[in-house]
Amino acid sequence: DAGITQSPRHKVTETGTPVTLRCHQTENHRYMYWYRQDPGHGLRLIHYSYGVKDTDKGEVSDGYSVSRSKTEDFLLTLESATSSQTSVYFCAIRAGFGTDTQYFGPGTRLTVL
Amino acid sequence: KQEVTQIPAALSVPEGENLVLNCSFTDSAIYNLQWFRQDPGKGLTSLLLIQSSQREQTSGRLNASLDKSSGRSTLYIAASQPGDSATYLCAVWGAEGGSEKLVFGKGTKLTVNP
Repeated sequence: DAGITQSPRHKVTETGTPVTLRCHQTENHRYMYWYRQDPGHGLRLIHYSYGVKDTDKGEVSDGYSVSRSKTEDFLLTLESATSSQTSVYFCAIRAGFGTDTQYFGPGTRLTVL
Repeated sequence: KQEVTQIPAALSVPEGENLVLNCSFTDSAIYNLQWFRQDPGKGLTSLLLIQSSQREQTSGRLNASLDKSSGRSTLYIAASQPGDSATYLCAVWGAEGGSEKLVFGKGTKLTVNP
């Protein structure tokens, strides 16, 4: 599992509230990713990071922001949660120089009421 | 833009059968291809990684092949078991020196019946 943890694992919140999801890795990987997974859409990339303070947008970045102040932590923030952001969120890392294997965290199930 | 397609979307087989899952991609200039397994309510588990210079990889009862020129990969599962029931996803990294992102297919949901 490449030492990836996500917190919280489950969260229920109300529309309009801010939410921050945390991804933590223990193996010093440079690249980290946030995805959301929804029925019928599969896995979609939200944001990714290629180093401390270096981030870029994915295909569904609207309404989300990220921060990476330390190599081991990658935070995903929903500034004002909406019901359309109800989803399962996965963090991943890119490991293995030259082999580029991606490993995933256990996921966070977020429900926005 | 790279697109990854997996057919069929769902597959049901009896236990013991050998089966093949298909993955196709539109841009053959890929770096690596990775197969994942996802159990219901769980995260993705990496099964096999095929580098662009390789044609196949094997792990136990799993064998994945890659044909870059035709834009296709297959995952062969031998002697299927009920424990193999899961969703299988294929994903590709972009061209060498290029993309930093994986592009995923939507998966094939496999059910192996006892």
